[in-house]
Amino acid sequence: AQKITQTQPGMFVQEKEAVTLDCTYDTSDPSYGLFWYKQPSSGEMIFLIYQGSYDQQNATEGRYSLNFQKARKSANLVISASQLGDSAMYFCAMRGMNYGGATNKLIFGTGTLLAVQP
Amino acid sequence: DAMVIQNPRYQVTQFGKPVTLSCSQTLNHNVMYWYQQKSSQAPKLLFHYYDKDFNNEADTPDNFQSRRPNTSFCFLDIRSPGLGDAAMYLCATSSASLFRVKATNEKLFFGSGTQLSVL
Repeated sequence: AQKITQTQPGMFVQEKEAVTLDCTYDTSDPSYGLFWYKQPSSGEMIFLIYQGSYDQQNATEGRYSLNFQKARKSANLVISASQLGDSAMYFCAMRGMNYGGATNKLIFGTGTLLAVQP
Repeated sequence: DAMVIQNPRYQVTQFGKPVTLSCSQTLNHNVMYWYQQKSSQAPKLLFHYYDKDFNNEADTPDNFQSRRPNTSFCFLDIRSPGLGDAAMYLCATSSASLFRVKATNEKLFFGSGTQLSVL
């Protein structure tokens, strides 16, 4: 079974500071992908960053970086230089691929609500 | 420039009264998904269409149905809404390969969701 765990229901960060949102996962699939999505109050889920399980380097997208530690099964999101517009719900998600090459559905964690304070 | 459009943004229905939520996309993606997201919970996949092929999740209640008349549109029908069906319903799309092989990096594009209230 696959599972995503986000243990931080809510986080505060000061504007311009960096923040780390935690995500751990569990899967028996030999290959998998990890995603982070942002969901502002408007409701739309916005793709932020992707990390493949066999990628040699940690993914980065602008101010977003993914701290991927495969042995610890963690995929933390780091947001540098936080902005007021970063206030939103953040979801970690995973899709696995089994030995037969079939992919599983994308599953989500319960999310972390980030509030950026001026 | 909205690419995945859900209407309406808010929908109120009565207990037991059928309701339809709509989703349209301008991305020409061949896969469309419906997720249910209850307050403070993770989005939960209800079903998805791979082109015209309907794929239901095993734990999706029979009360939930879907239609995809063409590539651009997909509808979620709730035949007899209960109070427990009040939630945000998210539509998403993705582009899978010609041979229907999904990859682990398949990215989903979401709409803004429809918040359903059941009175």
